[in-house]
Amino acid sequence: GAVVSQHPSWVICKSGTSVKIECRSLDFQATTMFWYRQFPKQSLMLMATSNEGSKATYEQGVEKDKFLINHASLTLSTLTVTSAHPEDSSFYICSASSSSEYQETQYFGPGTRLLVL
Amino acid sequence: AQKITQTQPGMFVQEKEAVTLDCTYDTSDQSYGLFWYKQPSSGEMIFLIYQGSYDEQNATEGRYSLNFQKARKSANLVISASQLGDSAMYFCAMREGRSNYQLIWGAGTKLIIKP
Repeated sequence: GAVVSQHPSWVICKSGTSVKIECRSLDFQATTMFWYRQFPKQSLMLMATSNEGSKATYEQGVEKDKFLINHASLTLSTLTVTSAHPEDSSFYICSASSSSEYQETQYFGPGTRLLVL
Repeated sequence: AQKITQTQPGMFVQEKEAVTLDCTYDTSDQSYGLFWYKQPSSGEMIFLIYQGSYDEQNATEGRYSLNFQKARKSANLVISASQLGDSAMYFCAMREGRSNYQLIWGAGTKLIIKP
């Protein structure tokens, strides 16, 4: 159980285009989803926290107009990188947790590698 | 001050040996949770083990156990009988209280198992 999928796993795009990344909890209802960014050889950097049906809470320094997050249902959250530029190239990974689970463990998707040319 | 400290940037261990990955934490909360995740080169983050602050016994999950020393604020991960597939980055993380479920992450330890 506790499987989270993420799509696409790889994306290469031209500068100025927008990229949408989907995160789905496949076998549980995720009351909260998280979006992280990870640079090579570094730890995870939390970008935003989203609860189903409400606006995402962004971490300091993360542009909410740049990184649009939608958590439309208890199983789906999307991250859209708008007008992507080379500096947005990174590994983006989502996680999902359920308040009904005592540990409230975050279960992670496989991640998306974004390369902006 | 760092909330989660992993002092070992990298470790080499011989296959079949046990290995201990260090993690110390800093919090003033009475209720908190400690997590260990494994990140292979593929990038996915795999949940390994959880220890709650009120749990009296050390958590165990198969070959993984957590050496929880509350007074020392340490939560070391012990992997018994290491395997080549254990080679990966390992991250310690803490959730303080039960508010908004955010995790505070350590810098990670790169573990390499030698055949």
